[in-house]
Amino acid sequence: GNSVTQMEGPVTLSEEAFLTINCTYTATGYPSLFWYVQYPGEGLQLLLKATKADDKGSNKGFEATYRKETTSFHLEKGSVQVSDSAVYFCALKEGAGTALIFGKGTTLSVSS
Amino acid sequence: SAVISQKPSRDICQRGTSLTIQCQVDSQVTMMFWYRQQPGQSLTLIATANQGSEATYESGFVIDKFPISRPNLTFSTLTVSNMSPEDSSIYLCSVEVQAGGSYNEQFFGPGTRLTVL
Repeated sequence: GNSVTQMEGPVTLSEEAFLTINCTYTATGYPSLFWYVQYPGEGLQLLLKATKADDKGSNKGFEATYRKETTSFHLEKGSVQVSDSAVYFCALKEGAGTALIFGKGTTLSVSS
Repeated sequence: SAVISQKPSRDICQRGTSLTIQCQVDSQVTMMFWYRQQPGQSLTLIATANQGSEATYESGFVIDKFPISRPNLTFSTLTVSNMSPEDSSIYLCSVEVQAGGSYNEQFFGPGTRLTVL
């Protein structure tokens, strides 16, 4: 079945460091890919998405490119801030009417 | 987009009892989903709830334990029955909204934090 694998956390960085959180997926079809973020004490929010191969999703300085050849959707940010401290979830959705499938989540902690 | 509210936001319950969680959406949606997020874990799909049909449960989840109602296109309930401490989790309602083309987006409610003693 479909699945998402994320790098294990926690990830601890200093402010302005470069961030990469790896995400790979297994899917039978051609899913849409997502990154969701959960800030401390808050609900789940969509951070960015890509709906087909080679698409790049971007938001708030975060980027991820849908790589079909490597079945990956790695999250990157050039310069993290303390306010980026949160749990990040990679997810896939096979198509309309199907539910999101989530990775295990990666906790990011950024210190000043 | 969709705005989702859940009630209660949190509860502390005794083992052996049941709790019904309500999910209200501000627009009509076809697809609704219920997820569980155990402490420090990811989101696991419990079931898909479509209006007018019985909920479809994922492996490891059964209707007797997690009965779901979907009486209309804006409302659903999830009941956690005969609770044990292992049911302590955040329960989230999610809906699918058409976002254009072949892409549909999922929105999430704020969650219900359940603690079972």
